[in-house]
Amino acid sequence: EVQLLESGGGLVQPGGSLRLSCAASGFTFSSYAMSWVRQAPGKGLEWVSAISGSGGSTYYADSVKGRFTISRDNSKNTLYLQMNSLRAEDTAVYYCAKVASRAVTTNAFDIWGQGTMVTVSS
Amino acid sequence: DIVMTQTPLSLSVTPGQPASISCKSSQSLLHSDGKTYLYWYLQKPGQSPQLLIYEVSSRFSGVPDRFSGSGSGTDFTLKISRVEAEDVGFYYCMQGIHLPLTFGGGTKVEIK
Repeated sequence: EVQLLESGGGLVQPGGSLRLSCAASGFTFSSYAMSWVRQAPGKGLEWVSAISGSGGSTYYADSVKGRFTISRDNSKNTLYLQMNSLRAEDTAVYYCAKVASRAVTTNAFDIWGQGTMVTVSS
Repeated sequence: DIVMTQTPLSLSVTPGQPASISCKSSQSLLHSDGKTYLYWYLQKPGQSPQLLIYEVSSRFSGVPDRFSGSGSGTDFTLKISRVEAEDVGFYYCMQGIHLPLTFGGGTKVEIK
């Protein structure tokens, strides 16, 4: 069964850091691009970042560029999101999502994790 | 950035009746490869989003045939031919042609 399991969320103070992980199983992880999508409480979906299957190409929304870093360890079938300089507006459920192919664009998110909550508050 | 605009914001439907959601993009989603990269997702209460439709009109694996997508260029529609209780939730369209990937604001579907 194809599965994504996020972890690492929690409460952090403004300006703090957090690293999210997404453990993948049931598919050849390195063959697919991966992405992070977030959802603020009571709000819609916002794309955050994406990474190619090899990890050689990364992409970010302007709202997180320079503060967040996406990476992957294909030997561990795990996707990461390092979040620094966190702000109150980063409070959201963070979902990892499998892209349906190697390319970050022109492909749907066909599998989603259950999400992990990040709360930025003092 | 491509802006995705969904209407209506919410929909209350009698079971067995049809429902329709519109999604308009600020730029054409037609790629030079001839395909149009518009997707539909459903987020059921308390769950993660799930893929319903890809490339405007192709149903994802396991999606019932009462769901259908149509449209071209900048105007798209998701139709549910006969709404069932399990169809409640928020529906989102998303464009996949340009970064940043962008979603519509969502349409809440409820049962009367």
